[in-house]
Amino acid sequence: GNSVTQMEGPVTLSEEAFLTINCTYTATGYPSLFWYVQYPGEGLQLLLKATKADDKGSNKGFEATYRKETTSFHLEKGSVQVSDSAVYFCAHPFKDSGYSTLTFGKGTMLLVSP
Amino acid sequence: GAVVSQHPSWVICKSGTSVKIECRSLDFQATTMFWYRQFPKQSLMLMATSNEGSKATYEQGVEKDKFLINHASLTLSTLTVTSAHPEDSSFYICSARVGGDSGYTFGSGTRLTVV
Repeated sequence: GNSVTQMEGPVTLSEEAFLTINCTYTATGYPSLFWYVQYPGEGLQLLLKATKADDKGSNKGFEATYRKETTSFHLEKGSVQVSDSAVYFCAHPFKDSGYSTLTFGKGTMLLVSP
Repeated sequence: GAVVSQHPSWVICKSGTSVKIECRSLDFQATTMFWYRQFPKQSLMLMATSNEGSKATYEQGVEKDKFLINHASLTLSTLTVTSAHPEDSSFYICSARVGGDSGYTFGSGTRLTVV
């Protein structure tokens, strides 16, 4: 079936450290892949996306490359900031009964200290 | 960009009462909206898919009579939690698909607390 697996958090880093949050997926075909970010008490915001294999999504210093061969979409940032502290969700859409909905990973909390 | 406005952002209600949550697409038409529930420190659980002009499609285990969904227009979908109980306390988020599978936009969420 369709699923998304993320590394468990929390991930605790010091400011300016390098970040990697792993994400792997199982899906039929080659769906678009997304990373969403959720700040405390808020809804989800799209961070970046990739719509086909080998695409790299990037935004606000974050990057993720759609790796078909490893079915992965790992999120990276070279130098994190305190303001990056949030929960990050990896997701992809799947079609069920004709409707395309998002399947989410469990989320990874990132805590960045000064 | 496509924006979904969700209201209220938080609500406290007494057990046994009903609460309505609204989601409006502000600059696009949403024929389909999705309603999610999120428990503390957990991922989003899809509750139902709301379709304009027809009945919602509920996920397994979600009570249709408790979580009433109405999608009467292309810009408005509502979720009503009926006869609320403390265990219904949660964070509810709506979402709409924008531009096929390449984009989804989310409301800002509603924190429901039932006392």
